[in-house]
Amino acid sequence: GAVVSQHPSWVICKSGTSVKIECRSLDFQATTMFWYRQFPKQSLMLMATSNEGSKATYEQGVEKDKFLINHASLTLSTLTVTSAHPEDSSFYICSARARGRSSYNEQFFGPGTRLTVL
Amino acid sequence: AQSVAQPEDQVNVAEGNPLTVKCTYSVSGNPYLFWYVQYPNRGLQFLLKYITGDNLVKGSYGFEAEFNKSQTSFHLKKPSALVSDSALYFCAASMTTDSWGKFQFGAGTQVVVTP
Repeated sequence: GAVVSQHPSWVICKSGTSVKIECRSLDFQATTMFWYRQFPKQSLMLMATSNEGSKATYEQGVEKDKFLINHASLTLSTLTVTSAHPEDSSFYICSARARGRSSYNEQFFGPGTRLTVL
Repeated sequence: AQSVAQPEDQVNVAEGNPLTVKCTYSVSGNPYLFWYVQYPNRGLQFLLKYITGDNLVKGSYGFEAEFNKSQTSFHLKKPSALVSDSALYFCAASMTTDSWGKFQFGAGTQVVVTP
């Protein structure tokens, strides 16, 4: 149980285009979802936290207009990288906290999405 | 400010030898502590967590970790390392008082197990 999926697993796009990444909790309802960014061999950097039905809370230094997050339901959150540029190339990972299992703050992680912007 | 430190960028160990990956934390209250492993181009896989109670926590794939409150440490251990344990390991802390449940990650430690 507690499986999180991400789609696509990898994407290549041209500079200036927008890319949407989906994060789904497959067998549980997620009260909160997190979006992270990871550079090669580095730690995860939290980008934003989102709760179902409300606006995402972005970490300092993360551009809200560039990284649009929508948490439309208890099982789906999307990250849209708008007007992508090569510097946005990275590994994006989402995680989710399970409703009813949040007392330990445990997060379940998706497999990640590799974004390459040409 | 909360922080998690993994003092070693890389740990090298021969297969069959004990493996230890260090983690210390600095928080202003009681933390939940976690260990995750990441293989190349993959997400994080959960290994174990400390919530409360017994200081020695046993987890997946033969890993265990010991919570030491006085030293604010949560070192990951495995008695006999396997080549397949070669991966990137992350320690994370989350405050019990944080309603969002945000994680503070360490920088990660690359484990290299040689045959």
